[in-house]
Amino acid sequence: LAKTTQPISMDSYEGQEVNITCSHNNIATNDYITWYQQFPSQGPRFIIQGYKTKVTNEVASLFIPADRKSSTLSLPRVSLSDTAVYYCLVGDTYSSASKIIFGSGTRLSIRP
Amino acid sequence: SQTIHQWPATLVQPVGSPLSLECTVEGTSNPNLYWYRQAAGRGLQLLFYSVGIGQISSEVPQNLSASRPQDRQFILSSKKLLLSDSGFYLCAWSVRGDRNQPQHFGDGTRLSIL
Repeated sequence: LAKTTQPISMDSYEGQEVNITCSHNNIATNDYITWYQQFPSQGPRFIIQGYKTKVTNEVASLFIPADRKSSTLSLPRVSLSDTAVYYCLVGDTYSSASKIIFGSGTRLSIRP
Repeated sequence: SQTIHQWPATLVQPVGSPLSLECTVEGTSNPNLYWYRQAAGRGLQLLFYSVGIGQISSEVPQNLSASRPQDRQFILSSKKLLLSDSGFYLCAWSVRGDRNQPQHFGDGTRLSIL
């Protein structure tokens, strides 16, 4: 099982770049790394997914080193609306349900 | 586009009463379907997982059951609710047969047991 470890919380200010790192030492060959964002009383929302190196979309970048034992979600120029819980998920949704594990996430607080 | 609906948004039930939460997906066929529970301030716990009609997998012993009577309908049930069943219940779907497709979540049902 590829469990993940993330910081419990992080604080930053508007306009800053925020990097959240997730450790997943037991990642399997077939596993992808997926990040979700969750606001209070809402379901998680998909942000970005990657397998190796770097992935970038309109909201974030995902950096994955060659050994894939960790990954870093990078949020450029955050705003107050980026205050949320961010989850790192490592697994393969095609395999058994026991491989789908959400950790406790990182609670990101953005201040003016 | 695909959408996922869960209802009700909030529910207050007495201990020992039955439960039925419904989730439906539109705009896709043959999805994988999931039920999660989230305790306050905690991460998501996967309760049930389905790859097709009538096919339900569960890794967590519990007081709840799930059913999938139609391709895009997923129901979470209990015959007798316990206090420990309180929480935020989330339904999600993903594309079947495509490894590592992300999950897409509904807005959840907040269940309070009195």
